Amino acid sequence: DSGVTQTPKHLITATGQRVTLRCSPRSGDLSVYWYQQSLDQGLQFLIQYYNGEERAKGNILERFSAQQFPDLHSELNLSSLELGDSALYFCASSLDSYTDTQYFGPGTRLTVL
Amino acid sequence: AQSVTQLGSHVSVSEGALVLLRCNYSSSVPPYLFWYVQYPNQGLQLLLKYTSAATLVKGINGFEAEFKKSETSFHLTKPSAHMSDAAEYFCAVRAKANTGNQFYFGTGTSLTVIP
Repeated sequence: DSGVTQTPKHLITATGQRVTLRCSPRSGDLSVYWYQQSLDQGLQFLIQYYNGEERAKGNILERFSAQQFPDLHSELNLSSLELGDSALYFCASSLDSYTDTQYFGPGTRLTVL
Repeated sequence: AQSVTQLGSHVSVSEGALVLLRCNYSSSVPPYLFWYVQYPNQGLQLLLKYTSAATLVKGINGFEAEFKKSETSFHLTKPSAHMSDAAEYFCAVRAKANTGNQFYFGTGTSLTVIP
């Protein structure tokens, strides 16, 4: 158990809908990362937050957005969902913005029908 | 731009045999390199990391990796495979952004251990 929690574990929704994925980092960690893992694109870095501020951005679509709240939990919002958004979404946390050791959560499996 | 390439999407070894998983990197700066393991239905777990100190890095579960700048490689090895090593393995490189980190992962290598 990494100490990172993600909810929900599974999510099934329809195209065009909007969903919110939630992540709580390990106790003491201030930085949160979001990743998308799909069969065709592998594991892709989406975005990093540190203490509520966006710090690094990867291949995140404009339909996707994230934020980190004062209690340090983070949410990833996916809107206008498409079939291709079906994937495993992982959250990871680290101590601070530059620490390279990340701890991954168990993931949220999103299925878009 | 920084990237990693994992050679071989599937590797099978017999129990007790040497495990060798290959990773080559591309980086314009000294890289920070990582190996992660993912067991079925779980998140990724850090096996080991190279951060420009010793070129031979020892990790958890008996794994180690050697950084070879001349070959731009960071291959993962384990002398004797165990059934519990069956999993997906990912090589990754860190790219420092102005204010944070970006991590780029390889496509993964699925390791099968044959009894």
